[in-house]
Amino acid sequence: SQKIEQNSEALNIQEGKTATLTCNYTNYSPAYLQWYRQDPGRGPVFLLLIRENEKEKRKERLKVTFDTTLKQSLFHITASQPADSATYLCALGVGGSGNTGKLIFGQGTTLQVKP
Amino acid sequence: ETGVTQSPTHLIKTRGQQVTLRCSSQSGHNTVSWYQQALGQGPQFIFQYYREEENGRGNFPPRFSGLQFPNYSSELNVNALELDDSALYLCASSGQASYNEQFFGPGTRLTVL
Repeated sequence: SQKIEQNSEALNIQEGKTATLTCNYTNYSPAYLQWYRQDPGRGPVFLLLIRENEKEKRKERLKVTFDTTLKQSLFHITASQPADSATYLCALGVGGSGNTGKLIFGQGTTLQVKP
Repeated sequence: ETGVTQSPTHLIKTRGQQVTLRCSSQSGHNTVSWYQQALGQGPQFIFQYYREEENGRGNFPPRFSGLQFPNYSSELNVNALELDDSALYLCASSGQASYNEQFFGPGTRLTVL
């Protein structure tokens, strides 16, 4: 069966450390993978996209890797800050082209950064 | 540039009733997707509309239906509400210059009693 899984337990880290979040999937062949941030009571906010032929993408303190052989993406936040505390969602992009297609979301991982 | 807006913010209905949720897409975006998010879960894809046509559907029954209008705003209709339909309903739009990067609205919190 098709599954997408993120760390179900909350991740607690100290300010200044690197947070690493994991997204694993089975029986999907995504053309791309996206990461979103969601704060309580609000809609998700897009952070990064990585295509199937890309290994790594960076944006400021964020880095995402995509291994289509392992069927895994890792999302890193370096020099983490309390303001980074939120739920992070990974989403697989399947079907469609351009700005269309289905996004399959994981259940999200809650990150808590302590000062 | 106006972001994605949704109405109403909150809604309480009873089992068996029908509900219509509304979404205005971000300016210039021609694609709207609807998601259902249960507490503690990730958003689940309901369907997507592209230029007023349904362009993909998730694993939801036919009592979930939608529309997209010429100005690209959209409606989600749910008939014969069930208790399990209680959730946050999210609308997201994407534009032609994007790689399906979704811009989400704040959501409508639906409670079915």
